[in-house]
Amino acid sequence: EVQLVQSGAEVKKPGESLKISCRGSGYNFTIYWIGWARQMPGKGLEWMGIIYPGDSDTRYSPSFQGQVTISADKSISTAYLQWSSLKASDTAMYYCAKTDLSGSYFFDNWGQGTLVTVSS
Amino acid sequence: DIQMTQSPSTLSASVGDRVTITCRASQSISSWLAWYQLKPGKAPKLLIYKASSLESGVPSRFSGSGSGTEFTLTISSLQPDDFATYYCQHYNSYSGTFGQGTKLEIK
Repeated sequence: EVQLVQSGAEVKKPGESLKISCRGSGYNFTIYWIGWARQMPGKGLEWMGIIYPGDSDTRYSPSFQGQVTISADKSISTAYLQWSSLKASDTAMYYCAKTDLSGSYFFDNWGQGTLVTVSS
Repeated sequence: DIQMTQSPSTLSASVGDRVTITCRASQSISSWLAWYQLKPGKAPKLLIYKASSLESGVPSRFSGSGSGTEFTLTISSLQPDDFATYYCQHYNSYSGTFGQGTKLEIK
């Protein structure tokens, strides 16, 4: 069974750094793109970017380029989303998801989400 | 950037109703469109990909249609489990723009 298991909820202060994770199991992690999406409180989904764990090819939405870093460690089947300096506006639910193998880039399996709260 | 516009934002319906949600792209996206269902506290669920292909395990009451700039998600007979928020998404190798969502509420 394909599973994406995300790390637990985080409460941070503005200016702090954070790295959240997404571990894949039940499939060949190396050959499927993994993406991240944000859902701010009361708002819709936003596509942040994707990474190909096989070679770490990474593509960002212009809205998130420079604001976050997406990475992956294929040896432990885990993708990451990190911030170097959090802002209150980063408070949101963050989802990871894997793409289909067909060459398309829709997300066929999703993680359960990681709630990040940034507050002083 | 391609913009995706869903309508309506909120839809009130009853069990057994047939409902349709529309998604419009700001320029042609061929059939590169997916639909997802979101429920609070649960992982999002893929329903439809490539505009009209039903994901394995998704009930046949869900269907998608369209190409180019206009797409629809139809639920033929609403079930209690279908009350949720639905998102369309245009996807390609460099982006994955979501619509703003449609909340399907019980009338």
